[in-house]
Amino acid sequence: AQTVTQSQPEMSVQEAETVTLSCTYDTSESDYYLFWYKQPPSRQMILVIRQEAYKQQNATENRFSVNFQKAAKSFSLKISDSQLGDAAMYFCAYRNNDMRFGAGTRLTVKP
Amino acid sequence: DVKVTQSSRYLVKRTGEKVFLECVQDMDHENMFWYRQDPGLGLRLIYFSYDVKMKEKGDIPEGYSVSREKKERFSLILESASTNQTSMYLCASSFLGGLSFYNEQFFGPGTRLTVL
Repeated sequence: AQTVTQSQPEMSVQEAETVTLSCTYDTSESDYYLFWYKQPPSRQMILVIRQEAYKQQNATENRFSVNFQKAAKSFSLKISDSQLGDAAMYFCAYRNNDMRFGAGTRLTVKP
Repeated sequence: DVKVTQSSRYLVKRTGEKVFLECVQDMDHENMFWYRQDPGLGLRLIYFSYDVKMKEKGDIPEGYSVSREKKERFSLILESASTNQTSMYLCASSFLGGLSFYNEQFFGPGTRLTVL
């Protein structure tokens, strides 16, 4: 079964700095999709960014970008120019026939 | 905006009670999902549905059942609640068309269920 591992339960970053959240996954499939979701405190989970495995180019969404290393089965999230509103739980997720989430990384942003 | 609503934010039930968690989405999405979220475990899929009256088991279906009589509504049922079902329950929906697996899931606010 596919598994998704987020090895950093907690991370912190200074406002305006850059932080990278790690995610690795295990799969025998060649086609799949990867996602980062954000869950702010007491608010609904929302999609941050997504990546198709067959695309080599790394996805970017404004201050959010990923480093997708298919051979290494790694999908890290980089947040540039961190803002206070970026504080949240971040979940990495894998989708093929099923949907699997990592355990999450709690990001704190220090003013 | 897509809106996914869940019937309760907080719920307290007794062991052995039958519990219904309701989820409604207003974007005509075909896919609907129920997850439970536990610290250190992330989200785990309980059941999902890709059409009315259709359901598929996820990773942890034991002790749960679901009902989808209408496209916009997906109910999670705990037939006989137990203390190990104390958790946060999240509902989500997504569009089936296009690259279905690539489509964004839209989440509800969650129901924090406590079983005493």
